[in-house]
Amino acid sequence: QVQLQESGPGLVKPSQTLSLTCTVSGGSISSGGYYWSWIRQHPGKGLEWIGYIYYSGSTYYNPSLKSRVTISVDTSKNQFSLKLSSVTAADTAVYYCARDLLVPSAFDIWGQGTMVTVSS
Amino acid sequence: DIQMTQSPSSLSASVGDRVTITCRASQGISNSLAWYQQKPGKAPKLLLYAASRLESGVPSRFSGSGSGTDYTLTISSLQPEDFATYYCQQYYSTPRTFGGGTKVEIK
Repeated sequence: QVQLQESGPGLVKPSQTLSLTCTVSGGSISSGGYYWSWIRQHPGKGLEWIGYIYYSGSTYYNPSLKSRVTISVDTSKNQFSLKLSSVTAADTAVYYCARDLLVPSAFDIWGQGTMVTVSS
Repeated sequence: DIQMTQSPSSLSASVGDRVTITCRASQGISNSLAWYQQKPGKAPKLLLYAASRLESGVPSRFSGSGSGTDYTLTISSLQPEDFATYYCQQYYSTPRTFGGGTKVEIK
């Protein structure tokens, strides 16, 4: 079955760029029919949707983060990635990648999550 | 953005109890609502979508209902493995937004 796995640095310095990759196994991003999303959860808090990408490369970002977010896809590696620039301590969170069913647009498969701490 | 408000934020219940969690959207979302269960240190798990449709493999003690702006998640008979935090999420429009969560604790 399809599985997602996040990877990337667990510690990022303030003002730098957070970079994470989600590797999809058991299925192909290129097959279409799904959005591929990033979602984060601040410690002890609720869930915040960051944005999604389609295999074609079309994206939609949460307006609250849009100026700092880039989501990209590498179909040859079956991966999609998140870049969040100019990070501050407020970006410290667990970051999840997730598959969005598109119709309905619910997140049916999630990665295990990766904790990213912003600190000097 | 559509704001999602869950209530209560936490509740205490016993095994076997019937539990109801409410989610209210700031505008009508035409049943474009999903419910998730999250246990500590784990990713959320999809329980229901389209307000009332059970995801494959989810026990039938979970059910959902509602329309317009108001939706409910009901657990008919709480089991030990159901103690967790539950989130609603709307997908009527972007950005996708989640409720603040309801923590179900053991009484």
